Amino acid sequence: GENVEQHPSTLSVQEGDSAVIKCTYSDSASNYFPWYKQELGKRPQLIIDIRSNVGEKKDQRIAVTLNKTAKHFSLHITETQPEDSAVYFCAARQSNFGNEKLTFGTGTRLTIIP
Amino acid sequence: DAGVIQSPRHEVTEMGQEVTLRCKPISGHNSLFWYRQTMMRGLELLIYFNNNVPIDDSGMPEDRFSAKMPNASFSTLKIQPSEPRDSAVYFCASILDISPAYNEQFFGPGTRLTVL
Repeated sequence: GENVEQHPSTLSVQEGDSAVIKCTYSDSASNYFPWYKQELGKRPQLIIDIRSNVGEKKDQRIAVTLNKTAKHFSLHITETQPEDSAVYFCAARQSNFGNEKLTFGTGTRLTIIP
Repeated sequence: DAGVIQSPRHEVTEMGQEVTLRCKPISGHNSLFWYRQTMMRGLELLIYFNNNVPIDDSGMPEDRFSAKMPNASFSTLKIQPSEPRDSAVYFCASILDISPAYNEQFFGPGTRLTVL
C-alpha cells in the first residue's frame, strides 16, 4: 500500500516569510496529491491539489510542486500571515473509479510569528 | 447544502460502554469515509464505503469496531466495548466519485470521543 512521509513535523516562520512543507510517497501509481489545512478544533479542508500530469499549480499565495520521478511533492506558502497558522496534511491517492482512498502524511504544525 | 453532518459532536462515556457515532454525507455523494485522529497516530482511515458497500476496512483497529451504511444518506461507526485508548476525534468525510475531476473529500465537523 501507499506510504506518505511528511516533513517537518513543526515549522515556525516570521510573518511575511515563506514556508515550505515536503512530502514523499511510495506508490508510483499514485496520481492525485491534495493538501488539507486543519485549524485548531476544526475539520480538515482542502486548500490545493495537483494531479500527476502537472508539475506545478498555484493559487494566490499557495503553490504545490510535484516531482513524479523522485516521488515527492511540496507545499509553498508565500507572504505568510497569522491566519496561515494551522496543521497541514499532504495526501496521495490513485485516481481510479471506486478507489478514493487517501493516504495522509502525519501533518506539519505551522506557526506564523507576528 | 449543510455539508457532512456528524452526531454527537462530543461524547463522554465510561470504559466498557457501547458508543455509536453517526454521519450523514453530503446529498448525492456516493463514497463515505471514517477517520480517527489522535496526536500520536495522526489521521487514520478506518473504513470507507462506495455506493453503500464497504470497500476497504483494513484500518479498523479490531473487532470492537464496526461500521454500517444502510443507505446513501446515513452511516454509523460503533465501538463495543469502548476503551480509554479509543479516545480521539472521529471524522466522517464524503466524496462524489463519478470522475477523476471530482476528488475533494469533504469532512464533517468530527465527534470528540472521551472514554474514561
